[in-house]
Amino acid sequence: AQSVSQHNHHVILSEAASLELGCNYSYGGTVNLFWYVQYPGQHLQLLLKYFSGDPLVKGIKGFEAEFIKSKFSFNLRKPSVQWSDTAEYFCAVNARNTGKLIFGQGTTLQVKP
Amino acid sequence: DTAVSQTPKYLVTQMGNDKSIKCEQNLGHDTMYWYKQDSKKFLKIMFSYNNKELIINETVPNRFSPKSPDKAHLNLHINSLELGDSAVYFCASSRNRGDTQYFGPGTRLTVL
Repeated sequence: AQSVSQHNHHVILSEAASLELGCNYSYGGTVNLFWYVQYPGQHLQLLLKYFSGDPLVKGIKGFEAEFIKSKFSFNLRKPSVQWSDTAEYFCAVNARNTGKLIFGQGTTLQVKP
Repeated sequence: DTAVSQTPKYLVTQMGNDKSIKCEQNLGHDTMYWYKQDSKKFLKIMFSYNNKELIINETVPNRFSPKSPDKAHLNLHINSLELGDSAVYFCASSRNRGDTQYFGPGTRLTVL
């Protein structure tokens, strides 16, 4: 069965620090990969996605992620976080053409001003 | 202009009641979904419809019944509500299976 694991459950950073959130998945087939963000009290918004092509994808608000197929990983990065990045971050995997989006447990990011 | 909308935003009800949550998308998507987010913020898919046909039905109590009157709407009806049903329920839609899913604002259900 597919599963997604996010290594960091709660991350606390100061503004301007660099961020990397780990995400690994278990599925042998072709997948689509996503990072979603949920700001306090709001719905999930798409940060970025990978379907195919360049494994380094850029998303909104300066976020990027790198797909490493051999490691089944899709880590999220941002060189310099802001207080407004405080939110819950979810990695998600969709086996191609099933529509079944499997989410990781989520990482709570707290950025101190 | 809201792409995926849900009503109501909040729902507080007593155990044993029956309630419905409505979802509408104006994106012209073919596929719609219901997810449950528990108190630990874990998200799990419940159902998915593609062009009004049920395509995903996870291990969900049969007290939960989705209904899709047309491909722009997917409603969730819950019978005999239990305390454990308290959660945030998110509707989502995508152009087709495997494509990016866009989420609604969520419905916070509290069962007393």
